[in-house]
Amino acid sequence: SQKIEQNSEALNIQEGKTATLTCNYTNYSPAYLQWYRQDPGRGPVFLLLIRENEKEKRKERLKVTFDTTLKQSLFHITASQPADSATYLCALAGGGNKLTFGTGTQLKVEL
Amino acid sequence: GAVVSQHPSRVICKSGTSVKIECRSLDFQATTMFWYRQFPKQSLMLMATSNEGSKATYEQGVEKDKFLINHASLTLSTLTVTSAHPEDSSFYICSAFRTSGERGSDTQYFGPGTRLTVL
Repeated sequence: SQKIEQNSEALNIQEGKTATLTCNYTNYSPAYLQWYRQDPGRGPVFLLLIRENEKEKRKERLKVTFDTTLKQSLFHITASQPADSATYLCALAGGGNKLTFGTGTQLKVEL
Repeated sequence: GAVVSQHPSRVICKSGTSVKIECRSLDFQATTMFWYRQFPKQSLMLMATSNEGSKATYEQGVEKDKFLINHASLTLSTLTVTSAHPEDSSFYICSAFRTSGERGSDTQYFGPGTRLTVL
């Protein structure tokens, strides 16, 4: 069956460091993969989309990689700030423009 | 751009009553909207796909007679939870699908969510 795995344990890092979050999937061949940020009690906010033929994408302090051979995406936040603390969700696109979400990884950036 | 609103943000109702949640795309038209449910510490689970001018398609295990979806215009979809029970208490989130014109770059934009509590 299809599965999307993200680290269920919270990731705690110091301000200024680079946070790296992992998304692994099985039994999928997504056309594209997306990363979202979700704050408590709020809906997800779209961050980045990366297509199957793209290896890497950047947006300001964010970087996403997509390895369709390893079936893995890495999400990096450089020069992290306490305001980056949130849960980060990866989502894979399937048929009918549907998205299937991972369980998310909670990031805490400490001073 | 790409703002999606939901109303209400929070609702408490008695068991057996019906609750309607609205989802609006404020600055773009969306022929397709999606409804999700999220339980605490869990991921978003897709409930149904709402298509403007046609019937919604429901995911396996989601009762279409209990969760009525109407997508009457290109900017509005509604979800009605009928005869709500305590187990329907959850965080309901809608999204609107926006086409970018660039293949493989279309994406969903989410509303802020509605917290439903059924007593």
